[in-house]
Amino acid sequence: DAKTTQPPSMDCAEGRAANLPCNHSTISGNEYVYWYRQIHSQGPQYIIHGLKNNETNEMASLIITEDRKSSTLILPHATLRDTAVYYCIVRASGYSTLTFGKGTMLLVSP
Amino acid sequence: EAGVAQSPRYKIIEKRQSVAFWCNPISGHATLYWYQQILGQGPKLLIQFQNNGVVDDSQLPKDRFSAERLKGVDSTLKIQPAKLEDSAVYLCASSLETGFNQPQHFGDGTRLSIL
Repeated sequence: DAKTTQPPSMDCAEGRAANLPCNHSTISGNEYVYWYRQIHSQGPQYIIHGLKNNETNEMASLIITEDRKSSTLILPHATLRDTAVYYCIVRASGYSTLTFGKGTMLLVSP
Repeated sequence: EAGVAQSPRYKIIEKRQSVAFWCNPISGHATLYWYQQILGQGPKLLIQFQNNGVVDDSQLPKDRFSAERLKGVDSTLKIQPAKLEDSAVYLCASSLETGFNQPQHFGDGTRLSIL
């Protein structure tokens, strides 16, 4: 699987949009971009995934650049409960293993 | 729907002792995973089951770790004997089936401390 690069930490004010970047410059054509998050003392939680089109669900939006070398996870109105480590993972289609990096620690403050 | 259930939530043992963790996946999920998460790092896959067969155990330290999934539902992960470096959170996850971009759903893990 392609390697991803994320900033180690980010801050966001409550109520504002949180934009979490991820670089995956070696991504292959059949590899999807997945986002998970892990709140303290809990297991990772699936957020969203996409191949090349932008995706939106009730939790977040995923914006993938046209060349697919980077993506951004957007939490439109961050709350204190969104404080967590966010993992960006590239995963080949038809292959189920997830390879986690260190992720981005997002701190949402009042 | 009920999530992935794991027990115990916490376990403290001395080195060289043995320990076992239990996982009950989401009903109907054919694929089950065990991950190890050391403090400050992301989870690392130990073993993957498809029903009751092993798909990938390449990262499992087989001299001390073992896992089974009898009847293709519940699973247990065992460490015998434990070493200090085994202190970690052990996470179980499940998904509908291998591949086809099915997301994995995780339990809250068992935190193991080795004294």
